[in-house]
Amino acid sequence: AQSVTQLGSHVSVSEGALVLLRCNYSSSVPPYLFWYVQYPNQGLQLLLKYTSAATLVKGINGFEAEFKKSETSFHLTKPSAHMSDAAEYFCAVILWGDSSYKLIFGSGTRLLVRP
Amino acid sequence: DAGVTQSPTHLIKTRGQQVTLRCSPKSGHDTVSWYQQALGQGPQFIFQYYEEEERQRGNFPDRFSGHQFPNYSSELNVNALLLGDSALYLCASSLPRRDAGELFFGEGSRLTVL
Repeated sequence: AQSVTQLGSHVSVSEGALVLLRCNYSSSVPPYLFWYVQYPNQGLQLLLKYTSAATLVKGINGFEAEFKKSETSFHLTKPSAHMSDAAEYFCAVILWGDSSYKLIFGSGTRLLVRP
Repeated sequence: DAGVTQSPTHLIKTRGQQVTLRCSPKSGHDTVSWYQQALGQGPQFIFQYYEEEERQRGNFPDRFSGHQFPNYSSELNVNALLLGDSALYLCASSLPRRDAGELFFGEGSRLTVL
């Protein structure tokens, strides 16, 4: 069955530092993988997605993620953190049904950005 | 272009009561999914509606039911509320056969059960 595991419930970085949020997946079929962001008191917003095309995926707000099949990973990175990046980040994988799908989310990583 | 709207934003109920949450999808979207997000956890899939039918269901009891209307809006009903039902309930809309996994979420309805 498809699942994702996010390593680290909290990550703290200084403003301007590299952001690395870790996600490992388990899937019996080639996975569709996603990163969503949730700002305080808001719903989730899609950051980027991997759907078996290019392994390096670029998203919004300067984020990118690399799909590594050998490591079953889909880590999210950003070269330089900004205060506005402070939020909760969720990795997700699609679980296909007969005529639809659902997203299976990880437990989330809260990113704190120090001035 | 209106995004996904949910109502109410906050509500408080007592154990045993029933609650109805409402969702209007993003303009042009015809598929609505509901997720439950408990405090400190990721969203958990409840069910998905398309063409007024439940297409897929997560591991939630029958106390959780839903409906989709001809205008694509949707309701989530929870009966016999338990303390453990306290959570943020998120509605997400999408197109069923395009851009799989690209969900547009509302801001949620925060339910507190006392």
